[in-house]
Amino acid sequence: EAGVTQSPTHLIKTRGQQATLRCSPISGHTSVYWYQQALGLGLQFLLWYDEGEERNRGNFPPRFSGRQFPNYSSELNVNALELEDSALYLCASSLKAGGHNEQFFGPGTRLTVL
Amino acid sequence: LAKTTQPISMDSYEGQEVNITCSHNNIATNDYITWYQQFPSQGPRFIIQGYKTKVTNEVASLFIPADRKSSTLSLPRVSLSDTAVYYCLVSSGNTPLVFGKGTRLSVIA
Repeated sequence: EAGVTQSPTHLIKTRGQQATLRCSPISGHTSVYWYQQALGLGLQFLLWYDEGEERNRGNFPPRFSGRQFPNYSSELNVNALELEDSALYLCASSLKAGGHNEQFFGPGTRLTVL
Repeated sequence: LAKTTQPISMDSYEGQEVNITCSHNNIATNDYITWYQQFPSQGPRFIIQGYKTKVTNEVASLFIPADRKSSTLSLPRVSLSDTAVYYCLVSSGNTPLVFGKGTRLSVIA
């Protein structure tokens, strides 16, 4: 069974540009979560989607947005990139909605903002 | 969201049992306690989850006292490959996971 996949693996952008990160959950999983992990820091919760709807949002500015498609894949968009947006962005999926359900993480997208 | 407190780092020799304790004084009635493991440049991996008393699987054991204000992850006979960051989280159905900085476990040969 394929795990959570993310693309691209690496992404290099300059300040002010926009970045789009993609995630495909495990087949049958309807919930998708996005996290940011900056160097030396723990995972910061970004967004949670379930059945196409945004269920919860972490403490991030509005320039971080996303969506979930009918096939449950998801996209994270970061507008007006800033240097501090450089981080590993992790996507996870779970079979059922809710933080207490086991989340399966993808390999991440490493975003570098120059 | 319940907040957790755990040691920043721990060292252990190979073959020893490692116990990592996590405090969650404000845990809610419907919160579960979950532990994840993360290796460098990888996403976290679920280790174990419990609600009360003791849970054991092939990887670890989780001890939760009656008041549920703390929990202890026990890793039996650690090896070098257990060197990782371990996160303790509490959550219920409607809340997302809140990862802290975790406990960095270093296993020494």
